[in-house]
Amino acid sequence: AQSVAQPEDQVNVAEGNPLTVKCTYSVSGNPYLFWYVQYPNRGLQFLLKYITGDNLVKGSYGFEAEFNKSQTSFHLKKPSALVSDSALYFCAVRDKAGYNKLIFGAGTRLAVHP
Amino acid sequence: GAVVSQHPSWVICKSGTSVKIECRSLDFQATTMFWYRQFPKQSLMLMATSNEGSKATYEQGVEKDKFLINHASLTLSTLTVTSAHPEDSSFYICSARDDSGSPYEQYFGPGTRLTVT
Repeated sequence: AQSVAQPEDQVNVAEGNPLTVKCTYSVSGNPYLFWYVQYPNRGLQFLLKYITGDNLVKGSYGFEAEFNKSQTSFHLKKPSALVSDSALYFCAVRDKAGYNKLIFGAGTRLAVHP
Repeated sequence: GAVVSQHPSWVICKSGTSVKIECRSLDFQATTMFWYRQFPKQSLMLMATSNEGSKATYEQGVEKDKFLINHASLTLSTLTVTSAHPEDSSFYICSARDDSGSPYEQYFGPGTRLTVT
């Protein structure tokens, strides 16, 4: 079965510092990986995805993620955090069987302090 | 970009009543839509996959008779919570899979907050 894991419930970072939100995956074959962000009482906003190609994926709002096949990881990164980046972040993998549903990690709450 | 709407954005209902939540793809066709449930500070739990013109596929442990799904057109899926109880209070999010292009893109609605009193 395909799955993703987000080992950290919460990440704290000071504004202006680089941030990393971790995600590891377990899939058969080549993975389709996604990052989404959720603000309070809102739906999910797409940040970026990895399908194939360059291991460094650039996305919205200055975020990027690095696909590492040997470590089965897809960590989300940003060079300089903003207070407004504080939100809940979800890593997801697409289930290639059936209807291509997304399988989500548990989520990581990012808190950026001024 | 592709937009998915949900209506209502929030609803309060009394225990024992039914409530319907709509999910619409506004500028694309979606043969397949997904319904998720999210408890506070938790991840999204897939409830069911909605397919236009056919029966929904429910995830294990989700009561089909309680959470009725109808996908009557290529742009609309509805989730009806029947005989709602306080434990059904949750944040319900839908997503719609764009039929065009490959691989299929999936877009999320803004969510519906259901409170059962």
